[in-house]
Amino acid sequence: GAVVSQHPSRVICKSGTSVKIECRSLDFQATTMFWYRQFPKQSLMLMATSNEGSKATYEQGVEKDKFLINHASLTLSTLTVTSAHPEDSSFYICSASREPRAGNTIYFGEGSWLTVV
Amino acid sequence: AQTVTQSQPEMSVQEAETVTLSCTYDTSENNYYLFWYKQPPSRQMILVIRQEAYKQQNATENRFSVNFQKAAKSFSLKISDSQLGDTAMYFCAFLSGGYQKVTFGIGTKLQVIP
Repeated sequence: GAVVSQHPSRVICKSGTSVKIECRSLDFQATTMFWYRQFPKQSLMLMATSNEGSKATYEQGVEKDKFLINHASLTLSTLTVTSAHPEDSSFYICSASREPRAGNTIYFGEGSWLTVV
Repeated sequence: AQTVTQSQPEMSVQEAETVTLSCTYDTSENNYYLFWYKQPPSRQMILVIRQEAYKQQNATENRFSVNFQKAAKSFSLKISDSQLGDTAMYFCAFLSGGYQKVTFGIGTKLQVIP
């Protein structure tokens, strides 16, 4: 069964509103989670590294004020797309590893389709 | 920085035949991990196989096996007895031993033809 759960799987929101996507590790603690964005027919682009209890680390070119990441517990990270615009429509996916700094398997959530209308 | 290169944007294979997807990477590290992920139309990322760089033996998982050539920095995926359900995007991925940041290749779209 899934070890990383992402919710919602699909969301439609109006332009200018904010939307939150959750990523949960179901049976292990994840001090670090990752958020990716995937454009059609492209690979996964790392947006940010979510660190439990501290600020997220954003990749170059990713607007931290637009994509708010909160990692309030060892099993939950959230991505909030603020003031969403149609160009933010995309597939967002998170990942987590069972063991920090270990080469154990990286598990992915099911992904979330965001459509901004 | 690490890079992962998948030079085959698309490939096709007849059902029950064997196909090999190529992947090369560049790193100065000695301890790392390599993965192949499958992404079907549902977009779910499914782990196919993983390889620890310190292990010389090639990883195998049922019909899936890899040819890991550390000196050449090559990590190809062989799919034997291809099935229709194997149709998907396949991503090669690199994970540094000390970090959890994964670097992905651009993917190879595999079509299994009945």
